[in-house]
Amino acid sequence: SAVISQKPSRDICQRGTSLTIQCQVDSQVTMMFWYRQQPGQSLTLIATANQGSEATYESGFVIDKFPISRPNLTFSTLTVSNMSPEDSSIYLCSVTGSGTDTQYFGPGTRLTVL
Amino acid sequence: SQQGEEDPQALSIQEGENATMNCSYKTSINNLQWYRQNSGRGLVHLILIRSNEREKHSGRLRVTLDTSKKSSSLLITASRAADTASYFCATDARGGSNYKLTFGKGTLLTVNP
Repeated sequence: SAVISQKPSRDICQRGTSLTIQCQVDSQVTMMFWYRQQPGQSLTLIATANQGSEATYESGFVIDKFPISRPNLTFSTLTVSNMSPEDSSIYLCSVTGSGTDTQYFGPGTRLTVL
Repeated sequence: SQQGEEDPQALSIQEGENATMNCSYKTSINNLQWYRQNSGRGLVHLILIRSNEREKHSGRLRVTLDTSKKSSSLLITASRAADTASYFCATDARGGSNYKLTFGKGTLLTVNP
């Protein structure tokens, strides 16, 4: 299975600021995704990070609020822009590799917005 | 609406007992995956079961899938206090989904020593 790391593991931010979360995988992967888990809730897919092109966003999520980059097959970033307390969540990246349907998740970034 | 819905929402058992969690979904799927999450941390992958499979085992875990009823169950046998966690099912919908997963609301399992 892929080993996935995320930075930072947690952060406390002021409203109106932005935070960039990094996701690093120890091997090349086919697909990378970003999910949000609001307090006490399940996971919701934000977007698919496409290598070398714009991310594909799910309904309710927009690029201006959650810009995503994926410069290569092992790394992606998610930025949470102009944050408000409603953005307080755990943000998780996930990956699938070539020839497998299994999706592995990173340890998550716990974000608190004051 | 949620693709996956687990029940019960919460389950409390004694160590050594078995725990069964159920998941229902609405659309046709390629596969269904079960995950564990400890205290709001990252998700740990437990088992993937494909739409053409009916049962899979991994250690103390047993997963069943009934595509006619659009439901799955996760059985943990001889539970331990360390099994205390939230358990989620996630479905990969059939038809060009590009591996996007839809998660259920989860079952919070508490195993009392």
